[in-house]
Amino acid sequence: GAGVSQTPSNKVTEKGKYVELRCDPISGHTALYWYRQSLGQGPEFLIYFQGTGAADDSGLPNDRFFAVRPEGSVSTLKIQRTERGDSAVYLCASSVYAPRNTEAFFGQGTRLTVV
Amino acid sequence: AQSVTQLDSHVSVSEGTPVLLRCNYSSSYSPSLFWYVQHPNKGLQLLLKYTSAATLVKGINGFEAEFKKSETSFHLTKPSAHMSDAAEYFCVVSEGDDKIIFGKGTRLHILP
Repeated sequence: GAGVSQTPSNKVTEKGKYVELRCDPISGHTALYWYRQSLGQGPEFLIYFQGTGAADDSGLPNDRFFAVRPEGSVSTLKIQRTERGDSAVYLCASSVYAPRNTEAFFGQGTRLTVV
Repeated sequence: AQSVTQLDSHVSVSEGTPVLLRCNYSSSYSPSLFWYVQHPNKGLQLLLKYTSAATLVKGINGFEAEFKKSETSFHLTKPSAHMSDAAEYFCVVSEGDDKIIFGKGTRLHILP
């Protein structure tokens, strides 16, 4: 596709369940980012990949959160034992290389609701 | 560590009047700075970016921003507001090849 694709667009899950959120970046983009946006807040950094490796995962809030990008393209954000406080819009972005001189393109996000 | 502070959470202007959205940054090195816009129920869109070239940067939809190192500011301006400018605006900083960090956002309201 032409842009960053995130699936599902909406996910409702019960407290304690496991969820996976998928991001398909723009083809050829080596950098991929995950952000979390709570209502009325700016996007909060979670993790940043260069290729297959996590260049910076300092934003992951705790060990219930994990992300992978095994082939340097599609990425999956995994949340174990979900809590109501995990409810937010999870945004994915990609850029050609590093962020410094290139635009990051954002997907529409996955709205996660934990009930 | 890098960070951005958006000084106003809400700004209201009348249609046809100038827009000023304020942003101050903190960075150890020469930063890259961006403004993104988020319309309701739409994805984030880049308005403009500064990457150590010209200090006055022109973006889409008539917006521009000026990088002022002495003031550590990167304020966003537009000479004449349009109703379609109503949205959330985010100031963003990046340092080196590091992650990009968002401000908390400024919601721009346009009054008829």
